[in-house]
Amino acid sequence: DTEVTQTPKHLVMGMTNKKSLKCEQHMGHRAMYWYKQKAKKPPELMFVYSYEKLSINESVPSRFSPECPNSSLLNLHLHALQPEDSALYLCASSDRLVSEQFFGPGTRLTVL
Amino acid sequence: KNEVEQSPQNLTAQEGEFITINCSYSVGISALHWLQQHPGGGIVSLFMLSSGKKKHGRLIATINIQEKHSSLHITASHPRDSAVYICAVLDRGSTLGRLYFGRGTQLTVWP
Repeated sequence: DTEVTQTPKHLVMGMTNKKSLKCEQHMGHRAMYWYKQKAKKPPELMFVYSYEKLSINESVPSRFSPECPNSSLLNLHLHALQPEDSALYLCASSDRLVSEQFFGPGTRLTVL
Repeated sequence: KNEVEQSPQNLTAQEGEFITINCSYSVGISALHWLQQHPGGGIVSLFMLSSGKKKHGRLIATINIQEKHSSLHITASHPRDSAVYICAVLDRGSTLGRLYFGRGTQLTVWP
């Protein structure tokens, strides 16, 4: 299995909702990443996990809460989001932090 | 912070043409990625290279470490190559996996 999967593909939520994004890989990779991408912009790094430990938090607001329950799974918990948080959320994984990153198809999030 | 510049920003070609997209960066790197993103879609990694040249099908990527420059070439372009192509670099000595991205090149290939 050489792919990164993300669910759901699309998510619409209100500002008071709590939802979660899920990312999974079965390539044995030990580094996983969350990116946020706005239209016509490059991805912005949010979080990096290495060996299930958070190694980078790019000063992301606390309404985004990452979780890495095991080496194959990465979640992003969402709470009290703002309309400006609407974006494509991409997950990626790599064998190590300095290896080639493989991206998932993304979750298109709309906050009403 | 590594400044990554891509050119051109937009590129239009006729099917069959040879395409070149350029990427330059400001600080020494350990690796450079070329990524492809179709409209509304996820990102596909095309190449990761740290020296020389790599080829995959009609795609060729080269890098000149001394000049801090890389090129992505597409031979015999096809409408399905229409996408955004993004260059991203990993700083030399980085242990954190942080990539610095260019702003992307929008390629449109007409039949």
